[in-house]
Amino acid sequence: AQSVTQPDIHITVSEGASLELRCNYSYGATPYLFWYVQSPGQGLQLLLKYFSGDTLVQGIKGFEAEFKRSQSSFNLRKPSVHWSDAAEYFCALLAGGSYIPTFGRGTSLIVHP
Amino acid sequence: SQTIHQWPATLVQPVGSPLSLECTVEGTSNPNLYWYRQAAGRGLQLLFYSVGIGQISSEVPQNLSASRPQDRQFILSSKKLLLSDSGFYLCAWRLEAGGYTFGSGTRLTVV
Repeated sequence: AQSVTQPDIHITVSEGASLELRCNYSYGATPYLFWYVQSPGQGLQLLLKYFSGDTLVQGIKGFEAEFKRSQSSFNLRKPSVHWSDAAEYFCALLAGGSYIPTFGRGTSLIVHP
Repeated sequence: SQTIHQWPATLVQPVGSPLSLECTVEGTSNPNLYWYRQAAGRGLQLLFYSVGIGQISSEVPQNLSASRPQDRQFILSSKKLLLSDSGFYLCAWRLEAGGYTFGSGTRLTVV
């Protein structure tokens, strides 16, 4: 069975600093991978997705993620964080042929002014 | 355009009362639909998913049920709510292009 691990429950950064949120997965083949963001009291919004091809994926709001097969990772990055980026971030995996995505537990991003 | 609607946004219900949450999608046909629950400070728990009318798969045995009476309608129900049913409920729809679109959620508080 597949799994997704987000090792950091909380991450605190200063506004303007760079950001990297970690996501590790366990799956026997190359999965489809996603990053979602959830603002308080809201649904989840898709930031970016990886299906195949270029391992560096660009998303909305200035985010990018890099798929590293050798490390089973799909870390999310942003060069300069804005206060509005404070939210919960979820990494998700979809195994080929499956209807059910597997979500990580989420990482809460706190942005200090 | 393709959109997903979920209502109500917030709900406060007494223990033992019934529940009905509705989710509808527009701009697509035969979508895969999902109900998730998010408890405070926790991740997403898949409750039900449906690949077509009348087809419901339950992931977690519980006090809830789901129905799909129409192609683009997915309903989450309970006959008698428990305190433990409190949480944030999210409907989601699998996009043909990949990825999932989520509704804005329903905050359910059982008192």
